[in-house]
Amino acid sequence: NAGVTQTPKFRVLKTGQSMTLLCAQDMNHEYMYWYRQDPGMGLRLIHYSVGEGTTAKGEVPDGYNVSRLKKQNFLLGLESAAPSQTSVYFCASRSRASREQFFGPGTRLTVL
Amino acid sequence: GEDVEQSLFLSVREGDSSVINCTYTDSSSTYLYWYKQEPGAGLQLLTYIFSNMDMKQDQRLTVLLNKKDKHLSLRIADTQTGDSAIYFCAESPPMNRDDKIIFGKGTRLHILP
Repeated sequence: NAGVTQTPKFRVLKTGQSMTLLCAQDMNHEYMYWYRQDPGMGLRLIHYSVGEGTTAKGEVPDGYNVSRLKKQNFLLGLESAAPSQTSVYFCASRSRASREQFFGPGTRLTVL
Repeated sequence: GEDVEQSLFLSVREGDSSVINCTYTDSSSTYLYWYKQEPGAGLQLLTYIFSNMDMKQDQRLTVLLNKKDKHLSLRIADTQTGDSAIYFCAESPPMNRDDKIIFGKGTRLHILP
């Protein structure tokens, strides 16, 4: 099992550009999460999903959109990137029966 | 509101014990966690404790929970260079509420030779 994978690992964008980050998990987990990690801020939840076709806002959802069309994939979109969105983005997933979240390796995004 | 507080840095000599402390605000939290993040990697669950427990031991790791003071600690015995990482304390509300886990800002553990 690959666990939780994230694509891409690194990306540099110009202000105003758009992109989609892909998270995939092969553990048949119901719940999936997108976090951002910034120095001195810890992890902050952007959006999450409790099942295929459902999404919900987290702590810092503004500027991001998500979709969960397939159970194994959770996409994070930036429609018009801003320098404030420079961060490391982590995806996580867990099963309904467990509280343990499994994390992907992260995507380092720089917005110039 | 829900909040998790922990100190940002801790330096410990190799071979000594490390104690990382955390306080949380949600008294209804059912699970409390310690996650470890090594450089350039995602978080990995280290251990967790259910709220009706006072202590949990797992090899070199000891978790202590003081529910009255809402204080959680992680003790790492015989600290090694491989323990150098950021340690995140986290709490989760009961299953019938949001499915979110609230993370602290992380404590960076630095090992001195």
